[in-house]
Amino acid sequence: AQSVTQPDIHITVSEGASLELRCNYSYGATPYLFWYVQSPGQGLQLLLKYFSGDTLVQGIKGFEAEFKRSQSSFNLRKPSVHWSDAAEYFCAVGAGQAGTALIFGKGTTLSVSS
Amino acid sequence: GAVVSQHPSRVICKSGTSVKIECRSLDFQATTMFWYRQFPKQSLMLMATSNEGSKATYEQGVEKDKFLINHASLTLSTLTVTSAHPEDSSFYICSAPSLPRDGYTFGSGTRLTVV
Repeated sequence: AQSVTQPDIHITVSEGASLELRCNYSYGATPYLFWYVQSPGQGLQLLLKYFSGDTLVQGIKGFEAEFKRSQSSFNLRKPSVHWSDAAEYFCAVGAGQAGTALIFGKGTTLSVSS
Repeated sequence: GAVVSQHPSRVICKSGTSVKIECRSLDFQATTMFWYRQFPKQSLMLMATSNEGSKATYEQGVEKDKFLINHASLTLSTLTVTSAHPEDSSFYICSAPSLPRDGYTFGSGTRLTVV
């Protein structure tokens, strides 16, 4: 079955500290992988995506993610967290074909402490 | 880049009434539109997939007679919540494939509150 697992429901990080959010997927086809961020009451904002090529992808707001096929993972990282990064983060996987919807993980809530 | 305009952003309706949510692709043709529902503090769950000119495909457990989806043109898909009840209160968001650039483009979402 196709699925996305985000093992951490809630993470608290001190401002300025590094961050890693975990994402594992199970997908039959070659996956297209995404990370989105959602602030309370808001829509989704695309942080970064992986389609093919270099397995380390850079995104907006200083985020990066690394695709590891052998581990079926696509973890999100940021070297120094800012208080404004506090939000809900969703990992998603899709096949990239027009008729295939994205499957989302349950999300990780990031809190930033001062 | 690709934009999907979703309206309304917020709607409050009385129990038993119907509400229509529109998603328009502004600068590309969306032959497919995905509709998701998100309950508070939960993830996005796919409700249905609409394809232009054909019937929508609903996920298991989603009542097709309650959530009417119409995809009459390449730029417009609508979701109508019929006979809404408080348990239908949720955040509804649409998404269209927009390869090769972004993969998928999301609308800004509709917060539905049924009172």
